[in-house]
Amino acid sequence: QKEVEQNSGPLSVPEGAIASLNCTYSDRVSQSFFWYRQYSGKSPELIMSIYSNGDKEDGRFTAQLNKASQYVSLLIRDSQPSDSATYLCAVNQVGSARQLTFGSGTQLTVLP
Amino acid sequence: NAGVTQTPKFQVLKTGQSMTLQCAQDMNHNSMYWYRQDPGMGLRLIYYSASEGTTDKGEVPNGYNVSRLNKREFSLRLESAAPSQTSVYFCASSPPIRGDSYEQYFGPGTRLTVT
Repeated sequence: QKEVEQNSGPLSVPEGAIASLNCTYSDRVSQSFFWYRQYSGKSPELIMSIYSNGDKEDGRFTAQLNKASQYVSLLIRDSQPSDSATYLCAVNQVGSARQLTFGSGTQLTVLP
Repeated sequence: NAGVTQTPKFQVLKTGQSMTLQCAQDMNHNSMYWYRQDPGMGLRLIYYSASEGTTDKGEVPNGYNVSRLNKREFSLRLESAAPSQTSVYFCASSPPIRGDSYEQYFGPGTRLTVT
């Protein structure tokens, strides 16, 4: 079982809709959770971080963390074609020092 | 402030050749990392350096060596390249830990093809 799992997609949503991206992780005591956006041919860009249960909002992005269920999600409101990218979930696992474990990513396409 | 820079951007090697990928950061970060990214595999950690003078193996270290030259620079060396090392290589850095914060910032990547 992979330590960090994401649906690979592709996920398609119409412009203006809410895109919902999900991630589950296996290490129950993971502490830090991150969402990265990666455009085709580019490097990962950090867009959200979340450390405690609940929601964290930043503009059109909301990260949601549920440690009891071991999942973290990213909601993108009012999706735009410029949001079309691969979204990577990353988790810091206890005992791994400063390492992050990445999921394989979900490809999102926002249709105009 | 350039962030994390990598050279070269592209490289083609023949099997058995050697090369060094360079990475530098100007954010005064302590930790640095080398990843490779292959289709469908996500980012896999090759080596990391928690601080100047220390290096440790990650998930896929075989065939690679690293040097943490100073706080700014972290290089990745392929001694005898193999086609299985064809990949996109990313360097990343991370600031000193604040509470639970372990965020990493990535360079632009090096696309390596081994024929």
